[in-house]
Amino acid sequence: GENVEQHPSTLSVQEGDSAVIKCTYSDSASNYFPWYKQELGKRPQLIIDIRSNVGEKKDQRIAVTLNKTAKHFSLHITETQPEDSAVYFCAGAPGGGNKLTFGTGTQLKVEL
Amino acid sequence: GAVVSQHPSRVICKSGTSVKIECRSLDFQATTMFWYRQFPKQSLMLMATSNEGSKATYEQGVEKDKFLINHASLTLSTLTVTSAHPEDSSFYICSADSGVEQFFGPGTRLTVL
Repeated sequence: GENVEQHPSTLSVQEGDSAVIKCTYSDSASNYFPWYKQELGKRPQLIIDIRSNVGEKKDQRIAVTLNKTAKHFSLHITETQPEDSAVYFCAGAPGGGNKLTFGTGTQLKVEL
Repeated sequence: GAVVSQHPSRVICKSGTSVKIECRSLDFQATTMFWYRQFPKQSLMLMATSNEGSKATYEQGVEKDKFLINHASLTLSTLTVTSAHPEDSSFYICSADSGVEQFFGPGTRLTVL
């Protein structure tokens, strides 16, 4: 089955700096890669996703890049704010369906 | 976006009892729903895929006789934790597939004493 690895497990940045979280996947059949933000005790919220027919997608301060050859994708958050502090999960969908395999998560802390 | 609800949000039960968790898609129909379990400071682990009108598909290592799933309609899936034990204490989250993306429920915190 699919295996998704995520790094780093924790990330501290100063407000206004950029944050980058990286994930790798194993199943070359995967073609859907969402990113979720989860605050403590709450549901995961989709913040951005990318499908394998594009290499990059951007939504305001958030961007995701995908390298299909290397089987890795990254989340970029620019101009970080304290409210960006949360746990971020990457995920991959094997076989083109919506059965998601999640990465291990990154605890992002944005410090004032 | 689409709304998925879960009930109850929290449940505390004694060891050996069964607990039922409901997952509802409120404004769309979902042929497929998913059940995840999340232990503290860990990732979401898929337990099973719930398909309307057919048997659920369980992930390796998940006991189908312990975690009973019923997807009786296009808007409701239920997860029953049978004979719950303290090691079953966890955060259970469902999601519903709209055909475009998965929408997650708010989760159910289960504590087994």
